[in-house]
Amino acid sequence: EIVMTQSPATLSVSPGERATLSCRASQSVSSNLAWYQQKPGQAPRLLIYGASTRATGLPARFSGSGSGTEFTLTITSLQSEDFALYYCQQSHKWPPTFGQGTKVEIK
Amino acid sequence: QVQLVQSGAEVKKPGASVKVSCKASGYTFSTYDINWVRQATGQGFEWLGWMNPNSGNAYYPRKFKGRVTISMNTSISTAFMELSSLRPDDTGVYYCVRVRSVVEAALDAFDIWGQGTMVSVSS
Repeated sequence: EIVMTQSPATLSVSPGERATLSCRASQSVSSNLAWYQQKPGQAPRLLIYGASTRATGLPARFSGSGSGTEFTLTITSLQSEDFALYYCQQSHKWPPTFGQGTKVEIK
Repeated sequence: QVQLVQSGAEVKKPGASVKVSCKASGYTFSTYDINWVRQATGQGFEWLGWMNPNSGNAYYPRKFKGRVTISMNTSISTAFMELSSLRPDDTGVYYCVRVRSVVEAALDAFDIWGQGTMVSVSS
């Protein structure tokens, strides 16, 4: 199965600053990459699919990029509600697999 | 409003079975595959399988084949996931999720998630 590796495990950022999260696949997943946000006690929420397409209603400060094995989720001007866990997931080959997550915390 | 609403928390003993339900609303249930994913305590996400409500076709990963059974009752727009021979390391939160694509067996992002069902396995 395809192994997804996220870095860093924890990212400390001040409100209003930019956050850059990375996700690497053990083999090419083309653009079949999604990003999710999860807050404590809640289910994950789809943010990005197809590596760069924002889900309906997602603010423009969230953007995704990359293809093949290297992907990035960028959050410009972090808001208080953006501090959460973020996961990437490949949908290129069965079984779908997830990264271990990056926690974005307040600096 | 499109949503998936799951049944409540369960506490089970090792060797028992658990059956979690997932009721869909706000969309045509038969249009999208339902998958199940779990987040075991201290672990990452694991995919447990999918089923298409229209055809009844299902697929399970090798790790869970024989232990996981997904079923559906389309008359009440509800999916079920049963996990048997429970072990303590099955403890975690179980989610039903809708696949974004309308194509059967499509591997795609999960656009709608149930709220999760906590399953605890302990003697």
